[in-house]
Amino acid sequence: DAGVIQSPRHEVTEMGQEVTLRCKPISGHNSLFWYRQTMMRGLELLIYFNNNVPIDDSGMPEDRFSAKMPNASFSTLKIQPSEPRDSAVYFCASSFEEGYSNQPQHFGDGTRLSIL
Amino acid sequence: EDQVTQSPEALRLQEGESSSLNCSYTVSGLRGLFWYRQDPGKGPEFLFTLYSAGEEKEKERLKATLTKKESFLHITAPKPEDSATYLCAVQGPGGYNKLIFGAGTRLAVHP
Repeated sequence: DAGVIQSPRHEVTEMGQEVTLRCKPISGHNSLFWYRQTMMRGLELLIYFNNNVPIDDSGMPEDRFSAKMPNASFSTLKIQPSEPRDSAVYFCASSFEEGYSNQPQHFGDGTRLSIL
Repeated sequence: EDQVTQSPEALRLQEGESSSLNCSYTVSGLRGLFWYRQDPGKGPEFLFTLYSAGEEKEKERLKATLTKKESFLHITAPKPEDSATYLCAVQGPGGYNKLIFGAGTRLAVHP
């Protein structure tokens, strides 16, 4: 079975450029999460979508970050303009939620972002 | 505030040397505790979910246990391929599957 697919795997760009990260969740999952992982702060939740609707974006660091989920099989995380402190590994995860169930989140292999 | 603390930060074992990793948590109303394994350059891989104190789950050389304040991941007779970072996460009360992750334990098993 295909897992969560993220692209690109690596991105190196200069400060000020726009960066777009992409995610295809597992088919049939109705929840999608974007995380950022750094050595200093560990794994942090940025935004959560349920049925393609953003539910919790309290983890989005600032207005330079935006995320969309136009349909159940695709999501993007955009940074504009990018800054060196945005360098991190960005993960997408998906799960199936129904009522109070605790289905585990399944992660993609991440995008390693370096802003020069 | 919900919090997850993992110890030790790093652990070095000889092949076959059993040990335990600790995950202490404070959360108002635990809905679930999750263990993940993360290999370098990869995303976290789901291992176990524990729901209530006293529950245990096993998978190969790994066994996870849960009390009201902490969880342990016991590794029996580890092999070099068990080397990875092990992450613990808790799910508190609330409307959705939000996880609070610990910083992880980096495990190295040497032959």
